[in-house]
Amino acid sequence: DAGVIQSPRHEVTEMGQEVTLRCKPISGHDYLFWYRQTMMRGLELLIYFNNNVPIDDSGMPEDRFSAKMPNASFSTLKIQPSEPRDSAVYFCASSFSGGPKSGELFFGEGSRLTVL
Amino acid sequence: GNSVTQMEGPVTLSEEAFLTINCTYTATGYPSLFWYVQYPGEGLQLLLKATKADDKGSNKGFEATYRKETTSFHLEKGSVQVSDSAVYFCALRGGSYIPTFGRGTSLIVHP
Repeated sequence: DAGVIQSPRHEVTEMGQEVTLRCKPISGHDYLFWYRQTMMRGLELLIYFNNNVPIDDSGMPEDRFSAKMPNASFSTLKIQPSEPRDSAVYFCASSFSGGPKSGELFFGEGSRLTVL
Repeated sequence: GNSVTQMEGPVTLSEEAFLTINCTYTATGYPSLFWYVQYPGEGLQLLLKATKADDKGSNKGFEATYRKETTSFHLEKGSVQVSDSAVYFCALRGGSYIPTFGRGTSLIVHP
């Protein structure tokens, strides 16, 4: 079974450009999470979805960040315009609320973003 | 609200040494507790979990026991290997279903 798939793995862009990160969760999972990881702040929850509906976006740093989940198999995190302080590794994770693995998060390999 | 506190790292050990990484939590009710591991350049992956008091989670030689009386879930391993070098995250999931992570503890094992 395929795990959580993220793309791109690495992105280098210039300040002011739009960045779109993509995530395909594990089939059948009903929760999807976007995290940001930096040395300074550790792992931060940005937003999460339940059954494709955004539930809590209080972790999104500002209006430059937006996330969508148009269907159960795809989500995007967009930064427009990007700034150097957005440089981080962005992780997508999914989970299933039922069964023996309830509550376990399955993470993608991350998208490393560098904004110059 | 829920919170998880882990010992600061890095923890530096020689191969075959005993490992303990402390984790304490604050939560209402009866959360499930997890340890995740992140190897360099990878995402987090579940190492072990415990869902109720006195449960012991174990995997790959690592163990942690859910201690409700001390609100702790310390990670232990009797003999670490170089390949165990990674960042370890303690986490809980309470009634809201949303996981709460600690800051992570970096482990460096020297040959």
